[in-house]
This record gives sequence, structure tokens and C-alpha cells, in this order.
Amino acid sequence: GNSVTQMEGPVTLSEEAFLTINCTYTATGYPSLFWYVQYPGEGLQLLLKATKADDKGSNKGFEATYRKETTSFHLEKGSVQVSDSAVYFCALSDQAGTASKLTFGTGTRLQVTL
Amino acid sequence: GAVVSQHPSRVICKSGTSVKIECRSLDFQATTMFWYRQFPKKSLMLMATSNEGSKATYEQGVEKDKFLINHASLTLSTLTVTSAHPEDSSFYICSAAGGLERHGYTFGSGTRLTVV
Repeated sequence: GNSVTQMEGPVTLSEEAFLTINCTYTATGYPSLFWYVQYPGEGLQLLLKATKADDKGSNKGFEATYRKETTSFHLEKGSVQVSDSAVYFCALSDQAGTASKLTFGTGTRLQVTL
Repeated sequence: GAVVSQHPSRVICKSGTSVKIECRSLDFQATTMFWYRQFPKKSLMLMATSNEGSKATYEQGVEKDKFLINHASLTLSTLTVTSAHPEDSSFYICSAAGGLERHGYTFGSGTRLTVV
């Protein structure tokens, strides 16, 4: 079956530090990959996505590249802000173009301090 | 962009009562809706998938008679927690899909259920 593995948190960084949150996956075929962000007390918001190998998803300074050879989709940001403090979820969908279910990683909590 | 409205955001109920959570897609037709449960500091656990006009498909281990899902229209799905118990206390989140390429998966803001 499909699975997503994320690095354990929490991750604590100072403002303007570089962020990497690792994500690897196991899936049959060619999944679509996503990063979602959850702010305290809220639902999930799509941060970025990539639908095929070597695609780079980017949004709000965050980036992730779909690496099929390493089955990875690591999230990076060059300079984090306090407002980036949230829980980040890596996810995959194994069917493109149809509404198939998402498989989530366990989430990584990011805490950014001044 | 696509918006999913989920209500209520918080609810406290007594043991033995039932609670209904609504999930509405406001500006698109959601052919499929997903219901998730999130435990504290844990990931989202898919409970069930519902398609408009048909019965929901429940994940293994989820009691369909306890968690009733109705997807009566292309813009509304409801989850009813029947005879709630304290162990049902959790954060429930819906997600609507109206076609992956255009809308992707849009999540509601979640419902914090506390059963006392």
C-alpha cells in the first residue's frame, strides 16, 4: 500500500533560518505529491504540489521537488518567518485526474522564534 | 478559489447524544467528499469516502453505524456521530474534490468535537 514518511518534529528554528522537512514515499505507479500546512485550530491548506517526476512545486517561498529516483519530496524554504509556525503534512494521491484519497504523513510541527 | 465551509467549528455534547457536522462546497460541485479524523499530534486518518448519491465507503475499522455519512447533493455532505462517547472526542475535517486538476482537494476548517 501507499505510505508517506516525514521527519519527526518538532523543528525549532530562528527567524530567517533555512528550513528542510524531509518526506519520502512508497507508492505504486506515479503518484501526485502534496504539502499541506495546518495552522493552530484550523483545517489544512494546500501549500504546493507536483504531479510528475522532476516537477517543482513552489508557493510563498516554499519549494519541493518531486524526485522519483529517491522517492522524495522534501520541503524547503530559504528564510523562515515566525508566521510560518504550523504543522506541515506531506501527502500523496495515487490517481491523477480523479478524486482518489490522500495518504498523509504524520506531520511535522515547525516552531519559528525571533 | 475553491472554498469548503465546515460547521460547526466547535461543539460540546453529552455522552449518548448525536452530533451532525456539515461540509459544503461553496463555489464548485464536489462529486467526492472525504472525512478525516485527527488525533492530537497525529496525522489525519481517513474515515470514509462519499460520492454524491451513493453510499459512503468506510475505511477498515471505522464503524459505519456510528459515523453516518450522507452526501445528498453535489455541494453538501454531512457526518453524524451517533451516540457519542468521550473517546469520539477529536478533530474532524472534511475535504471535497471536484476534479483534481482544477480544484484539487479543498479542506474544511475542521470541527473540534468534545464529548462530556
